[in-house]
Amino acid sequence: DIQMTQSPSSLSASVGDRVTITCQASQDINNYLNWYQQKPGKAPKLLIYDASNLEAGVPSRFSGSGSGTYFTFTISSLQPEDIATYYCQQYDNRPSMTFGQGTRLDNK
Amino acid sequence: QVQLVQSGAEVKKPGASVKVSCKVSGYTLTEVSVHWLRQAPGKGLEWMGGYDPEDSEIIYAQKFQGRVTMTEDSSTDTAYMHLTSLKSEDTAVYYCARVRGDLPIPDFWGQGTLVTVSS
Repeated sequence: DIQMTQSPSSLSASVGDRVTITCQASQDINNYLNWYQQKPGKAPKLLIYDASNLEAGVPSRFSGSGSGTYFTFTISSLQPEDIATYYCQQYDNRPSMTFGQGTRLDNK
Repeated sequence: QVQLVQSGAEVKKPGASVKVSCKVSGYTLTEVSVHWLRQAPGKGLEWMGGYDPEDSEIIYAQKFQGRVTMTEDSSTDTAYMHLTSLKSEDTAVYYCARVRGDLPIPDFWGQGTLVTVSS
């Protein structure tokens, strides 16, 4: 199974900060990597697909990059509504998928 | 618009089984199937299974093989996930999610169904 190692597991930041989360795959997954945002009590929401493509309707302050085994997710200027938990997800060995353990982002 | 509406919360005893439904609208299950995932309290997301368009069959995560069955009723556009031999570790929120065509990219999710397993 492909393992996804996400870091950090938690992060405190202030409004306006630049926030970066990383995700490392245990093997090459090409660019088959997506990023999700999850707020408490809600289902995850797709933000970035195929490593760097912004999902329709998602603010441009969110971005992703990387390929192979190393990926980054960035919020360019943190907004209050961005407080949430973020997950990476790989689908190289489709149809199965695995997720990183999540990064909990809160207010500093 | 695309919507996935799941059945309500369940409380089950160890050893029992549960069946969660997921009614889709805004598209049909013959166009795109759903996958099932779960999230234990305070934990991350775990894939349980979904349709493999390459082999035209439903594939289950190894962890759940023999205990889970996923079915779809195209006449009502409702998907079902049946999990048997429940244990306390199966306490979780269960999600159905539409995937993007042939690619396992969950882009629309149900609201989740809490299944509590307790004696």
